[in-house]
Amino acid sequence: EAGVVQSPRYKIIEKKQPVAFWCNPISGHNTLYWYLQNLGQGPELLIRYENEEAVDDSQLPKDRFSAERLKGVDSTLKIQPAELGDSAVYLCASSSRDSVSYNEQFFGPGTRLTVL
Amino acid sequence: GQQLNQSPQSMFIQEGEDVSMNCTSSSIFNTWLWYKQDPGEGPVLLIALYKAGELTSNGRLTAQFGITRKDSFLNISASIPSDVGIYFCAGYRDDKIIFGKGTRLHILP
Repeated sequence: EAGVVQSPRYKIIEKKQPVAFWCNPISGHNTLYWYLQNLGQGPELLIRYENEEAVDDSQLPKDRFSAERLKGVDSTLKIQPAELGDSAVYLCASSSRDSVSYNEQFFGPGTRLTVL
Repeated sequence: GQQLNQSPQSMFIQEGEDVSMNCTSSSIFNTWLWYKQDPGEGPVLLIALYKAGELTSNGRLTAQFGITRKDSFLNISASIPSDVGIYFCAGYRDDKIIFGKGTRLHILP
């Protein structure tokens, strides 16, 4: 079974430029999460989707960050415009709400963003 | 906000030694999860704990859900070189998951 797929793996951009990250969750997983991980820290939740609905976006900086999961499968996270402080790893994870172990999230490899 | 205090922050051990790390919180959690993250990769789930007092093993790894539901620990027995990495605890409650800052494990040759 394929795991969570993310692309690109690395992205280098100049500040004020836009950037987008893509995630394809594990097949059948209806819950999708985007996390931010700064160096030396644990992941911090940005947004959680149940199917196509964003059910928790309280930690998403909505002035510059946006996300979508139009068909309830893959998802895109966008930053526009990027700032220097956005340099971090962006992780996507998924889980199955229909499973008794729905708390168990499976992570993708992440996208490492560097803003110059 | 809720915080998880994970300790130690880093460990330097000899190959073959046992390892113990823990996670504490001022809040109660319904689920405790332990992840390992290798450089350049996402966290990989090691063990999930769902009941207070639960003790679960996965190979050389053993984790326990504290009786108070405010803490958890992870033990690794007979460490090997591939155990090197960052170990994260995570607490889950009310559809929210909080991660600790991680314990970085180093194994000396």
